Amino acid sequence: QVQLVQSGAEVKKPGASVTVSCKASGYTFTAHHIHWVRQAPGQGLEWMGWISTDSGATSSAQTFQGRVTMTRDTSISTVYMELTSLRSDDTAVYFCARDQVDMGIGPWGQGTLVTVSS
Amino acid sequence: QFVLTQPPSVSGAPGQRVTISCTGSTSNIGAGHDVHWYRQLPGTAPQLLIFANNNRPSGVPDRFSGSKSGTSASLAITGLQAEDEADYYCQSYDSSLSGSFVFGSGTKVTVL
Repeated sequence: QVQLVQSGAEVKKPGASVTVSCKASGYTFTAHHIHWVRQAPGQGLEWMGWISTDSGATSSAQTFQGRVTMTRDTSISTVYMELTSLRSDDTAVYFCARDQVDMGIGPWGQGTLVTVSS
Repeated sequence: QFVLTQPPSVSGAPGQRVTISCTGSTSNIGAGHDVHWYRQLPGTAPQLLIFANNNRPSGVPDRFSGSKSGTSASLAITGLQAEDEADYYCQSYDSSLSGSFVFGSGTKVTVL
């Protein structure tokens, strides 16, 4: 079945960077874009950006432009999201999810908790 | 600040019908972009519930339905069940934000 499995929880200090990975299985990796969405504790969903797993082209929300880098490794069906210059308000669960063109976003990875604390 | 506005909470007794609104603008829902709905159970990842305004993925019961009109969309849950207690989010695309996907502010559904 289609599955996205993310890397484990991270604890980082302010100013550091974090990289979260998302490994896809059960479908043709390059046939679907991958989104990154985050959710701060007790808050709603915030779209960060997406990557074309075919071309590697990316698009990110204005909020994150300059701080987020999304890449992919097609040989292992994995996408990566790096967020730099971390602040305490970057503490959140980060999700990857598969784009389904006109059919919404899904499935989602299990989420990766990133805690930013001094 | 969320581009799509939802009521923070709605509630209903088992068996009742509840609706969740999602209000946008002429740059997203009103521009003709599809609306999708997601359900998030506590401590889990969101799951697609309705896609392209009013379509259910396989496995989603027909108690869930979606609609869209003008700059707004709605999700209806009929025959409310205890397992429907969750957070619900709408999502669309906004043409004015450099081509950005946007989520609603989220609605907590409580089954009384």
